[in-house]
Amino acid sequence: AQRVTQPEKLLSVFKGAPVELKCNYSYSGSPELFWYVQYSRQRLQLLLRHISRESIKGFTADLNKGETSFHLKKPFAQEEDSAMYYCALSGRGAQKLVFGQGTRLTINP
Amino acid sequence: GAVVSQHPSRVICKSGTSVKIECRSLDFQATTMFWYRQFPKQSLMLMATSNEGSKATYEQGVEKDKFLINHASLTLSTLTVTSAHPEDSSFYICSAPSGGSYNEQFFGPGTRLTVL
Repeated sequence: AQRVTQPEKLLSVFKGAPVELKCNYSYSGSPELFWYVQYSRQRLQLLLRHISRESIKGFTADLNKGETSFHLKKPFAQEEDSAMYYCALSGRGAQKLVFGQGTRLTINP
Repeated sequence: GAVVSQHPSRVICKSGTSVKIECRSLDFQATTMFWYRQFPKQSLMLMATSNEGSKATYEQGVEKDKFLINHASLTLSTLTVTSAHPEDSSFYICSAPSGGSYNEQFFGPGTRLTVL
């Protein structure tokens, strides 16, 4: 069964501190992993995907198949990073997404 | 980037009535669209996959006779909540894939349904 787990519902860090949002998944095949973000009063939007191995807004995420994890990291948090973050999974080549429970990140000044 | 719109953004209806929610891809075509439901402070739950020109595919536990989906064109999918009850009150969100190699989904702004 496909499952995405984000163990932290809430995460609060100070501006300038490192941030790590945890994501673990369960999938029998080769998954595609994504991080989506929802800023206040805005729609859900893609932040980054593991396939492209890119850094967006200073965030990176590495797929660890051994630990079945796809944690989102940023070395120095900024206030504008405050948002709801969702980890999501799909099968390779498939379009249907399974979402984690989401983590609300708050960056304190 | 691609834009997905939803209409209405908010609707209040009486118990027992039906409500139609539209999802449109504004600047691209989508043979597939997805409908999600989001309860307060909870994640998105996939309800069904809307397929242009064919029947929708429903996720386990979702009543297809209650949540009617019609994908009449390459830019429009509709979700009709039939005989709505207060427990159907929720935030309904649609998405459409970009069609590119990276499988990016573009999300609509959502529709807040309140059933009295």
